[in-house]
Amino acid sequence: EAQVTQNPRYLITVTGKKLTVTCSQNMNHEYMSWYRQDPGLGLRQIYYSMNVEVTDKGDVPEGYKVSRKEKRNFPLILESPSPNQTSLYFCASRQIAAGETQYFGPGTRLLVL
Amino acid sequence: AQRVTQPEKLLSVFKGAPVELKCNYSYSGSPELFWYVQYSRQRLQLLLRHISRESIKGFTADLNKGETSFHLKKPFAQEEDSAMYYCALKGGSEKLVFGKGTKLTVNP
Repeated sequence: EAQVTQNPRYLITVTGKKLTVTCSQNMNHEYMSWYRQDPGLGLRQIYYSMNVEVTDKGDVPEGYKVSRKEKRNFPLILESPSPNQTSLYFCASRQIAAGETQYFGPGTRLLVL
Repeated sequence: AQRVTQPEKLLSVFKGAPVELKCNYSYSGSPELFWYVQYSRQRLQLLLRHISRESIKGFTADLNKGETSFHLKKPFAQEEDSAMYYCALKGGSEKLVFGKGTKLTVNP
């Protein structure tokens, strides 16, 4: 089944404790992206990647890192999480072509105390 | 710059009534426009895209370049249409820009 998976789905952590949220897709998509979803603010892009070893900042990259060592994986790293990073995070992927559907993961709900 | 505006945060209609979710965009070139839907506690999924001029679950959307709009319409709303709806735009880059979303509630 074609899908985007994320782990963990729920995470409670404390300020400053490094964490990684994994994202994996099995559709051989070139493009992958991370978003955060906050009430009243919609979806805001954190980072994106056009292919292996090619990553770039989105609209709200501060406090986050990503890597793209393999085509299928695009982990999101919070080196020193802070309470303002409490949010719902979505990973997404798609082919790079006109009109292509972007597929989303199930979301990771993060609470930073 | 690419921008998507959804002027209504909340929209409430009765079952069987017509519904229109507004989306306006700002982009100087030829955009690709999409509507995504997020049902309660589920992931976002594509509802429709202007490039294929399709009708999904009774919803349609027409790209109006003169008014820079891509409003989503359905003639008879159903309770199962209650969800968050996001309009999205892709311009010359691969970046997909989302509006802030409209929460649609269809009352029985």
